[in-house]
Amino acid sequence: AQSVTQPDIHITVSEGASLELRCNYSYGATPYLFWYVQSPGQGLQLLLKYFSGDTLVQGIKGFEAEFKRSQSSFNLRKPSVHWSDAAEYFCAVGARSGGYQKVTFGTGTKLQVIP
Amino acid sequence: DVKVTQSSRYLVKRTGEKVFLECVQDMDHENMFWYRQDPGLGLRLIYFSYDVKMKEKGDIPEGYSVSREKKERFSLILESASTNQTSMYLCASSGEGPLAGGKETQYFGPGTRLLVL
Repeated sequence: AQSVTQPDIHITVSEGASLELRCNYSYGATPYLFWYVQSPGQGLQLLLKYFSGDTLVQGIKGFEAEFKRSQSSFNLRKPSVHWSDAAEYFCAVGARSGGYQKVTFGTGTKLQVIP
Repeated sequence: DVKVTQSSRYLVKRTGEKVFLECVQDMDHENMFWYRQDPGLGLRLIYFSYDVKMKEKGDIPEGYSVSREKKERFSLILESASTNQTSMYLCASSGEGPLAGGKETQYFGPGTRLLVL
């Protein structure tokens, strides 16, 4: 069965600083990987996803993520954080399980942006 | 634009009440999902459905049931609400069938925050 670990529960960065959110996954085959963002009081929105090919994936809102098979990681990055990026970020891994699609979410990293 | 709506943003119920949470999607998606979200636990799958009248248990189905009579609507039912079901409930949908193999992007509603007293 697949699993996802987001080791940082809470991260605080200054506006304009760079950001990296960590995600490690466990899955025996080729993983399908996602990053979702949840703004306060909202549902989740897809930022980006990786299925195959180029290991550096570009997403919306200036985010990117890099798949590193050797480290079982899919870290999310942004070069310059804006105050509107304050939200909770979820990494997820998708896989076939019992004939169905199953997506397993991490526990989330809450991002605080300070002026 | 893709839209998933949930019938209530906030709900307060008493222990033992029967609770209905409704979710509607307008994308003609085949798959629909119910999750609960709790601090420190992330999202946990309660039930999902890959077709009308079809349902499958997720990771935490105890105390819940679901109904999918129409393709666009997926209901979550708490037969007898308990305080440990106080949570945020998120509905999601995705487009391809059950053999999409985990590639699907899920589209989420805004959530229903349920408080059981």
